[in-house]
Amino acid sequence: DTGVSQDPRHKITKRGQNVTFRCDPISEHNRLYWYRQTLGQGPEFLTYFQNEAQLEKSRLLSDRFSAERPKGSFSTLEIQRTEQGDSAMYLCASSPGRQGETQYFGPGTRLLVL
Amino acid sequence: GENVEQHPSTLSVQEGDSAVIKCTYSDSASNYFPWYKQELGKRPQLIIDIRSNVGEKKDQRIAVTLNKTAKHFSLHITETQPEDSAVYFCAASGGSYIPTFGRGTSLIVHP
Repeated sequence: DTGVSQDPRHKITKRGQNVTFRCDPISEHNRLYWYRQTLGQGPEFLTYFQNEAQLEKSRLLSDRFSAERPKGSFSTLEIQRTEQGDSAMYLCASSPGRQGETQYFGPGTRLLVL
Repeated sequence: GENVEQHPSTLSVQEGDSAVIKCTYSDSASNYFPWYKQELGKRPQLIIDIRSNVGEKKDQRIAVTLNKTAKHFSLHITETQPEDSAVYFCAASGGSYIPTFGRGTSLIVHP
């Protein structure tokens, strides 16, 4: 499968625990995006990378959230001290890198914080 | 920043009818407008997109129109089928490289 992949697909955790999600973009896509989606809403932008550089972060991304893309390939999104309000679908997308190019989404990681 | 409004939130049609979903955007610098289809529990998938240098684009039963002056764009689905039932999202992006999504339209096609 040459599409965007995410792992895990589902995560249940207790409030206060840390979680980490992984995204593997389409190879040779140099832009990688993280979104959060809750029921009945469109994807909300969290952050994006061009190669290994994190170029922009949303105000939605509190200090408990951190993302990395150390070698410009896969990316991780970590949430520390999870809260019930963090429960959502976390989507990753990648694009070739030209302005306005199509983003290809991964299947998402569904997080439930108890 | 960009603001994208999408209407209606729910659209119910009979099989074979046409469906139209409308979006407006606020940033005149936006120049790329994709539409995504998301089935329950699945990833958003691009179904059609349009750039600001064209006014209309068609792909079989799906078409998108863009009015840059009025800052709105629409998705048209003709001869709807039950498998068209899904949530549809519009988005707008431009200089920031970051698309802003609408809140989605739940399309229900009754057989």
